[in-house]
Amino acid sequence: SQTIHQWPATLVQPVGSPLSLECTVEGTSNPNLYWYRQAAGRGLQLLFYSVGIGQISSEVPQNLSASRPQDRQFILSSKKLLLSDSGFYLCAWTPGPGREQFFGPGTRLTVL
Amino acid sequence: KNEVEQSPQNLTAQEGEFITINCSYSVGISALHWLQQHPGGGIVSLFMLSSGKKKHGRLIATINIQEKHSSLHITASHPRDSAVYICSLYKYQFYFGTGTSLTVIP
Repeated sequence: SQTIHQWPATLVQPVGSPLSLECTVEGTSNPNLYWYRQAAGRGLQLLFYSVGIGQISSEVPQNLSASRPQDRQFILSSKKLLLSDSGFYLCAWTPGPGREQFFGPGTRLTVL
Repeated sequence: KNEVEQSPQNLTAQEGEFITINCSYSVGISALHWLQQHPGGGIVSLFMLSSGKKKHGRLIATINIQEKHSSLHITASHPRDSAVYICSLYKYQFYFGTGTSLTVIP
């Protein structure tokens, strides 16, 4: 069966510090991968998606970046965090466009 | 303009009540999903549907493609159903509603 891992679960970082969140999927190959952010009381905002290794599409201009160094690994990064980067970050995968999405447990990021 | 609109935003019900959450959308879609977000933040997929009706236990999801409307029904609601329910649709990319926060009181 397929599983999706995200870490860390919670993170408190000072403004200006770097960020690296990792997401890995097990039990499937060639997944479509997504990074979402959910601000308090808001809906899910798509940040990045990837249909293959090294293929990253960005939906929202920001100081975040994403990379997919391996088929089942998706990394969200920042060189310098802003206060506005605080939120709940979710990684998700689908077997194909429009198919059922499977979400990771999420990372709650607080930037102070 | 939000492509996906949900109503109500918040809903409180007594245990045992029949609950309906509505989702209206403005784009032609390939599929519509209902998601459940638990208080801890984790999200699980409840249904994916492109036509008609699906049932899983006490949950029923319907969709009317012509009217661009879907409903999620919960029969015999229970406190463990308390969660945020999110409507999501796919048309070249995923769009999400802002969610309906449901609280079921014992």
